[in-house]
Amino acid sequence: EDKVVQSPLSLVVHEGDTVTLNCSYEVTNFRSLLWYKQEKKAPTFLFMLTSSGIEKKSGRLSSILDKKELSSILNITATQTGDSAIYLCAVDGWGGGTSYGKLTFGQGTILTVHP
Amino acid sequence: GAVVSQHPSWVICKSGTSVKIECRSLDFQATTMFWYRQFPKQSLMLMATSNEGSKATYEQGVEKDKFLINHASLTLSTLTVTSAHPEDSSFYICSASGNPDTQYFGPGTRLTVL
Repeated sequence: EDKVVQSPLSLVVHEGDTVTLNCSYEVTNFRSLLWYKQEKKAPTFLFMLTSSGIEKKSGRLSSILDKKELSSILNITATQTGDSAIYLCAVDGWGGGTSYGKLTFGQGTILTVHP
Repeated sequence: GAVVSQHPSWVICKSGTSVKIECRSLDFQATTMFWYRQFPKQSLMLMATSNEGSKATYEQGVEKDKFLINHASLTLSTLTVTSAHPEDSSFYICSASGNPDTQYFGPGTRLTVL
């Protein structure tokens, strides 16, 4: 059974701090790892990672995949109160056939940024 | 960017009634649509995968007769919760995948069964 584990489960920081969120996975037929940000409604897409060691960056957010360690990190620098959200890691373990594109989600990390 | 809509955004119904939730890809053709359920303070759990024109594939533990999924066109999938009970109260989210096959999520539907 595919498994995705995120840590920490929750994190409280002050504005300006840098945070690192972790995601580890066990999945058959790995295709990609995705990070999402979830506020009050559905998740919004942040990054998709397929290759090991290549950092993806968007503003203050960056992420990298380590296929050898079966893990990924999401970094947020100079955090702002608007970064407060649940950050979800998901792995696309393409099972082939009818399991095309099946995502397995981690529990999420609840990030709270105080002013 | 790709936009996925869901309707309704929230619904309250009485126990025993059926509720239909629509998921539409607005600006792309979705060959595959996924239905997830999220209970409070928990992560998203995949319920089923549907491909246009074929029967949905349900995850283990999800009753296919209770959660009817129809994917009649490349832009519309529906989830019908039949004979809903309070334990079915949850946040239901769909996602749609086209070409390329990145999944785009709808805004979700909050179902409350009284």
